[in-house]
Formats: sequence, structure tokens, C-alpha cells
Amino acid sequence: ELKVEQNPLFLSMQEGKNYTIYCNYSTTSDRLYWYRQDPGKSLESLFVLLSNGAVKQEGRLMASLDTKARLSTLHITAAVHDLSATYFCAVSGGSNYKLTFGKGTLLTVNP
Amino acid sequence: GAVVSQHPSWVICKSGTSVKIECRSLDFQATTMFWYRQFPKQSLMLMATSNEGSKATYEQGVEKDKFLINHASLTLSTLTVTSAHPEDSSFYICSASPGAVNTEAFFGQGTRLTVV
Repeated sequence: ELKVEQNPLFLSMQEGKNYTIYCNYSTTSDRLYWYRQDPGKSLESLFVLLSNGAVKQEGRLMASLDTKARLSTLHITAAVHDLSATYFCAVSGGSNYKLTFGKGTLLTVNP
Repeated sequence: GAVVSQHPSWVICKSGTSVKIECRSLDFQATTMFWYRQFPKQSLMLMATSNEGSKATYEQGVEKDKFLINHASLTLSTLTVTSAHPEDSSFYICSASPGAVNTEAFFGQGTRLTVV
């Protein structure tokens, strides 16, 4: 059974600071996703990581994937209040896009 | 990117009634769609995999007679919550993928179900 562990579950940080969210998964996977969810909303796709060593960046967010360690990171650089949201990683173990989600990280960026 | 539309966005129903939620892929065909449920402050849990033209595959612990899934076409899957109870109140989200190599799954807007 594929398990996805995300930490921390809660993250309160000041604007301008950097931090990293970690996502570990238990079995071999061919795709890892990062999503953002605002309160009361559905998921917004941030990154899709497909291969070992993949690194993608969009604005203040950067995601990386180490398939050997079964670890993905979401790095936040110089956080701003607008980044406050819940961030989920999700892993797909097969070709049918069935996803297993981590528990999510509730990020609060304080002025 | 591809668009997945879910309807309704929210619904309130009385206990004991049934509610149907639609999930449509607007600009691509999806042989497989997924239904997730999310309780407040929790993660998404996969309920079932909806397969066009065949029976849905339900995850362990999900009652197939209570959560009826129909995938009658390549662009539409429906989830019917039958004999709804207050504990069925949740956020239901569908997803679908065009299925090509290296594409992602796209999510609908979600449906907030409240059973009173």
C-alpha cells in the first residue's frame, strides 16, 4: 500500500523567510504532484515531477524530486502573505492517475 | 490546461434524500475519472475510480450501494449519494486526465454537500 507522509503539517512563518515542506512516499512511483488548496476551494496544480532529480520553479516556490530517497521537497523563498494556503503532495503509483495524498501542510505567512 | 467541471458547487439536502453530482471533462475525453472526499481540515481520500462503460472500482470501506457512480460517456461521470445522512456532509472532488504520457490529473471545482 502506497503511503505518503508530509511534514510539517502546520507551518507558521514570517514574510521574507524561507522554509521547506517535505514529502516522503513508501513505494516506487512514476509521478509526484504538488497542489495548493485555498479554504473552501478545490485543488490548484503547482508542479508535476516525473523523474529523479527533477526540479521545477514557479515564482517563490521550487519543487524537487529524489526518487531514490522517495522524497520530494517544496521550498518557499522569501514568503509573502499570498502564499498562505494548504499544500498537498500526491503520488501516483500507476498509469491510471490514481493519487494518494499526503495529509497536507497548512502554511500561514504572517506579516 | 484541460478543464474539469463539477456541478453543483454546493448543495443542501434533507436527510434520507439522494443527491447527484456531475463531473465533466470539457475539452478532453477521459476513460477514467476519480472521486475524492475531503472532510474539514483533512486530506483528500479516494472513494472510487470511475471507468467509462464499466463498473466503478471502490476503495476499501466505501459503500458502493450508497455512493453510486455512473460513467456513461467519455466526458461525464456522476456520483449519487443515496439516502444521505449528516455524516455524508463533506467536500466531494472529482478528477480526470487526458491520459497522454506525462500529463497530469485535473480537478473539478468540488461540491460542498450539506445534509440536514
